[in-house]
Amino acid sequence: GDSVTQMEGPVTLSEEAFLTINCTYTATGYPSLFWYVQYPGEGLQLLLKATKADDKGSNKGFEATYRKETTSFHLEKGSVQVSDSAVYFCALSDPSGDSSYKLIFGSGTRLLVRP
Amino acid sequence: DSGVTQTPKHLITATGQRVTLRCSPRSGDLSVYWYQQSLDQGLQFLIQYYNGEERAKGNILERFSAQQFPDLHSELNLSSLELGDSALYFCASSPSAGTPEAFFGQGTRLTVV
Repeated sequence: GDSVTQMEGPVTLSEEAFLTINCTYTATGYPSLFWYVQYPGEGLQLLLKATKADDKGSNKGFEATYRKETTSFHLEKGSVQVSDSAVYFCALSDPSGDSSYKLIFGSGTRLLVRP
Repeated sequence: DSGVTQTPKHLITATGQRVTLRCSPRSGDLSVYWYQQSLDQGLQFLIQYYNGEERAKGNILERFSAQQFPDLHSELNLSSLELGDSALYFCASSPSAGTPEAFFGQGTRLTVV
């Protein structure tokens, strides 16, 4: 079945450092790919998305490119801030099996940014 | 604010009891999804409703059930609760059954003691 694999956390960085969180997926069809962020004590917020191969999603300085050849959707940011500290979830939506756009999530990666 | 409202925010109950979690989707959204977030299982899809009808089922226990009402709000019913049901339960909504993007509520944290 479809699945998402994320790099293990926590990831600890100093402010202004470069961030990469790796995400790879397995899907039977042509999924849409997402990054969601969960701040402490809050729900999930959509950070960015890409719906087809080679699309680049971007938001708030974060970027991710849908790479079909490597089945990857790595999250990057050039300069992280303390306020970026949160848990980041990679997810896919693939309706080819049951026509549902339900989300399949990775295990989440906790990011801690130190001043 | 995503526009998705979940109540209550916190719930503490005893084993064997039954609880109901409520979700009001964003205005105009017809599709509602329920997810469970636990430490051991991560974020798991439970069930989807679209315009009052069940659309897809995931890893939902038989002790759990859901429905979507004519006004499009949804309820998740959890019965014969066990300690392992303690988790954060999220509701998400999207405009149609064919939209991959979903907007999440703040969640209901259920603690079974």
